[in-house]
Amino acid sequence: DADVTQTPRNRITKTGKRIMLECSQTKGHDRMYWYRQDPGLGLRLIYYSFDVKDINKGEISDGYSVSRQAQAKFSLSLESAIPNQTALYFCATSDSRGASTQYFGPGTRLTVT
Amino acid sequence: AQSVAQPEDQVNVAEGNPLTVKCTYSVSGNPYLFWYVQYPNRGLQFLLKYITGDNLVKGSYGFEAEFNKSQTSFHLKKPSALVSDSALYFCAVRDRSNTGKLIFGQGTTLQVKP
Repeated sequence: DADVTQTPRNRITKTGKRIMLECSQTKGHDRMYWYRQDPGLGLRLIYYSFDVKDINKGEISDGYSVSRQAQAKFSLSLESAIPNQTALYFCATSDSRGASTQYFGPGTRLTVT
Repeated sequence: AQSVAQPEDQVNVAEGNPLTVKCTYSVSGNPYLFWYVQYPNRGLQFLLKYITGDNLVKGSYGFEAEFNKSQTSFHLKKPSALVSDSALYFCAVRDRSNTGKLIFGQGTTLQVKP
């Protein structure tokens, strides 16, 4: 969905390198999320943010950090990449209503060699 | 703990036949339930969701899903499959707290053959 963009779309990096994945949205949503997708495991939540000053860990936050630079921007960092962080990473956004739908970006395919 | 199970890794169906992709869930209280579809090299696209009310929910591209509280299931259905429906389908659940966190199933690949 063009309303949620992710950069880069593909990235190959080496073990130990720091890497940042960026997400921007034009939907005006307060909430933003980072997930990783691994084959056979579905999507798992890494971090989520309800607004610029409210950031929370998800189920698999170890080895990752995030920054909410503005309402529309939420970046994910791997401080020292390792091969088992090779995955497809998705950003998502939603508003704060009770049954709100999450809308996903196109994903970033990250390979750590 | 909340969980979602999609018992079939892959579902094969002939074009024009009805299709069902299964999903069962475990969550305390009354859940919100979602279906998403992922086409190759694309992000997840929202198909439909159950909030409350009618147990049969209609969504995009002719898909529908039936909420069954007693069986804790939310199966995705379509009366007549198209080859273009071939994709990876995810069921997801969230509780009614304000966390907004979705728990996803592992995904089911749907293959529709001509």
